[in-house]
Amino acid sequence: EVQLVESGGGLVKPGGSLRLSCAASGFTFSGYSINWVRQAPGKGLEWVSSISSSSSYIYYADSVKGRFTISRDNAKNSLYLQMNSLRAEDTAVYYCAKEMATGTLPYFDYWGQGTLVTVSS
Amino acid sequence: DIQMTQSPSSVSASVGDRVTITCRASQGISSWLAWYQQKPGKAPKLLIYAASSLQSGVPSRFSGSGSGTDFTLTISSLQPEDFATYYCQQANSFGLTFGGGTKVESK
Repeated sequence: EVQLVESGGGLVKPGGSLRLSCAASGFTFSGYSINWVRQAPGKGLEWVSSISSSSSYIYYADSVKGRFTISRDNAKNSLYLQMNSLRAEDTAVYYCAKEMATGTLPYFDYWGQGTLVTVSS
Repeated sequence: DIQMTQSPSSVSASVGDRVTITCRASQGISSWLAWYQQKPGKAPKLLIYAASSLQSGVPSRFSGSGSGTDFTLTISSLQPEDFATYYCQQANSFGLTFGGGTKVESK
């Protein structure tokens, strides 16, 4: 069974940093691109970042470029999101989401349960 | 970035109704579109990809159509478990974008 489990969320002050993790199991983690998608309270979905299977291709939303860094450790079946210079508007539930298949377009067939990040003084 | 506009933002319907949700892209995206269903407090669930391909395990009452800039998600006969919020997502190019969502509510 495919499982994605996020962790690392919490309350952080504006300007602070946080590192999110996503632990994967039930599939060959090293074979798939993985993404971060967030959802502010009561709002819609916003794509944040994508990393390819071997970390060769990395993309960011303009809203987080220069502040967030996505990375992965295929040996540990884990995905990370380092978030720096956090702002109130980064407050959201952060989901990791697996792409459907290698070499295909970014459709997300499995999602984690999400981890809440709250940026507030 | 490509903007995705969904309509309506909410729809009131009854069990058994046919429900249609539309999604318009600000530029052509061929057939590179997905639809997701999200229930409160839960992660989104993939329903349709490549505009009209039904994801494995998704009931056949869900269908998608369209290409270019205009897309449609149809629920042929609404079931109690279908009350939820639906999102479209373009997969044509990074940065990926989602529509604003359509909430299907009980009439």
